[in-house]
Amino acid sequence: ETGVTQSPTHLIKTRGQQVTLRCSSQSGHNTVSWYQQALGQGPQFIFQYYREEENGRGNFPPRFSGLQFPNYSSELNVNALELDDSALYLCASSYSGRGSIALYNEQFFGPGTRLTVL
Amino acid sequence: QQQVKQSPQSLIVQKGGISIINCAYENTAFDYFPWYQQFPGKGPALLIAIRPDVSEKKEGRFTISFNKSAKQFSLHIMDSQPGDSATYFCAASLAGGYQKVTFGTGTKLQVIP
Repeated sequence: ETGVTQSPTHLIKTRGQQVTLRCSSQSGHNTVSWYQQALGQGPQFIFQYYREEENGRGNFPPRFSGLQFPNYSSELNVNALELDDSALYLCASSYSGRGSIALYNEQFFGPGTRLTVL
Repeated sequence: QQQVKQSPQSLIVQKGGISIINCAYENTAFDYFPWYQQFPGKGPALLIAIRPDVSEKKEGRFTISFNKSAKQFSLHIMDSQPGDSATYFCAASLAGGYQKVTFGTGTKLQVIP
């Protein structure tokens, strides 16, 4: 069983640039969630993708956008980067299914992408 | 608005001692309360989780105590080991719908020999 993988591991960008982060979900999972973790803080929910559609969004501006592909992998795109976007970006995959015990679907996290905006 | 408050921010415990981390939540609709362990350079990993219909859950050296009326829950690590040194996050999520997990601010635990 392959776990959640993310690429790249580290990324340095300058303010105003755009960035794309990638996530491959764990085998058998169909739902991907993205989180932003600032240094010394807990992860903050950005959004979730299920069946290639956004399925819930946290308090992040529209310049944070995403995609989910038919193989359930996902991308996080951030436009017009700001200094405060510097953080660890975490992807988590889980399984959601009709009739499943969706209440307690464990999310498995990847190692994250460390984004530094200069 | 922070919906899950966690304390202490940092904790130093001697090897063999008990580590206790406390959390409080505001949203009574939360019905799944996981604890995550995060090592430097790694993503959070689920350690143990509890549903609000039970008051305690134990897995090995890790125990969650849950007080629904007080809207509080805590993690106890018995016989703490240096390998337990990590950052611990309590969290909460809602039933059904999308699986947004709301995290606490984290507790950095250091277990000294």
